[in-house]
Amino acid sequence: KNQVEQSPQSLIILEGKNCTLQCNYTVSPFSNLRWYKQDTGRGPVSLTIMTFSENTKSNGRYTATLDADTKQSSLHITASQLSDSASYICVVKGGYSTLTFGKGTMLLVSP
Amino acid sequence: DSGVTQTPKHLITATGQRVTLRCSPRSGDLSVYWYQQSLDQGLQFLIQYYNGEERAKGNILERFSAQQFPDLHSELNLSSLELGDSALYFCASSREEGPQRAQYFGPGTRLLVL
Repeated sequence: KNQVEQSPQSLIILEGKNCTLQCNYTVSPFSNLRWYKQDTGRGPVSLTIMTFSENTKSNGRYTATLDADTKQSSLHITASQLSDSASYICVVKGGYSTLTFGKGTMLLVSP
Repeated sequence: DSGVTQTPKHLITATGQRVTLRCSPRSGDLSVYWYQQSLDQGLQFLIQYYNGEERAKGNILERFSAQQFPDLHSELNLSSLELGDSALYFCASSREEGPQRAQYFGPGTRLLVL
């Protein structure tokens, strides 16, 4: 069964600190992995998309990594800002355009 | 603003009723996706249309149906509503079907079934 597990479930960090969110998946076959940021009450916004051959991708202060061998991805946020407070969702696209969503990590950046 | 619009923003209805949610994709986007997000389940993919044709199906109940019209807007029909159907329903669009295409999400329709 295709699954995407994210950890931690929630996280509180101080403004300016770095953090890393984890995503483990068992989706097969694998097409790509996406990280989304979802502010409360709003639609998700795409941060990064990575295919099998890519092992790192950056978008400003967000850097995603992918290890296709171990089926793990991480999202690293550098120098966190209050506006980074949101839910971060890992999504894996498999065969036949199937999408498997993680339940998200709720990040709170505290002043 | 993603360019994807959804109406209505909020909807309150009773069990057993039927509702229609509407989505207009970004200009030029051919693919439309529907998602359900409830507090305990996270985002669940329901169905995808590409240029008017159904392309992929996820965890969509038989009571739910969708279609994409020639002008590329899409509607999600929910019938025989149950309390558990209360959720945020998101529509997303993308230009094509390529694996690298990002999906742009609309603001969602919040459905409350009483």
